[in-house]
Amino acid sequence: QSALTQPASVSGSPGQSITISCTGTSSDVGSYNLVSWYQHHPGKAPKLIIFEVNKRPSGVSDRFSGSKSGKTASLTISGLQAEDEADYYCCSYGGSSNLLFGGGTKLTVL
Amino acid sequence: QVQLVQSGAEVKQPGSSVKVSCKASGGTFSSHVITWVRQAPGQGLAWMGGIIPIFGRTYYAQNFQGRVTITADESTSTAYMELSSLRSDDTAVYYCARGLFITIFGVVIPSTLDYWGQGTLVTVSS
Repeated sequence: QSALTQPASVSGSPGQSITISCTGTSSDVGSYNLVSWYQHHPGKAPKLIIFEVNKRPSGVSDRFSGSKSGKTASLTISGLQAEDEADYYCCSYGGSSNLLFGGGTKLTVL
Repeated sequence: QVQLVQSGAEVKQPGSSVKVSCKASGGTFSSHVITWVRQAPGQGLAWMGGIIPIFGRTYYAQNFQGRVTITADESTSTAYMELSSLRSDDTAVYYCARGLFITIFGVVIPSTLDYWGQGTLVTVSS
């Protein structure tokens, strides 16, 4: 099983919106609405920000939203803030009771 | 509030084994998939495997099959990840996480990792 495909980096200015894509296959992202997204600040534990494609855990800002079309899931962050600068990882069920992560996307807030 | 507290940093020789613990508190343990994820320097997150303590069933990524053993002690709400035949490229931060799952026709389908441990740095060096 290959990792899910994410852009290596994205950037945006404060207040802008950015979208991070996560492309899989018909065996993982395309087959299950079980995509989750994690925010990871270096040196800290990853934090769940989106689960089951588009659901937000309690306490996560509504500036974070998720969607999916076919084999590609997306994370959108609106109203970018300096504190959003982090690495972002998508994750999907990959079959055979396995989970697959994307390669990660580094978000830079300019 | 759910907390996962992992054991401290380890330095190991190539060829040896390491066992990292993950103690849960503040929530349910046995009915979740206690999952292990690692991040090597400069790399992304990689799923290693998991265990559902209430079922006693384990799941391993193909990349680690044969070298990783995940166990759990329900009495202490503690999960363990042991990695053997260590190599220099096993140097990484190892995280445990509590995962949700569903079952469809008896197949366990893990999904969301809702709480994470603080990570344990394992350095493999001679």
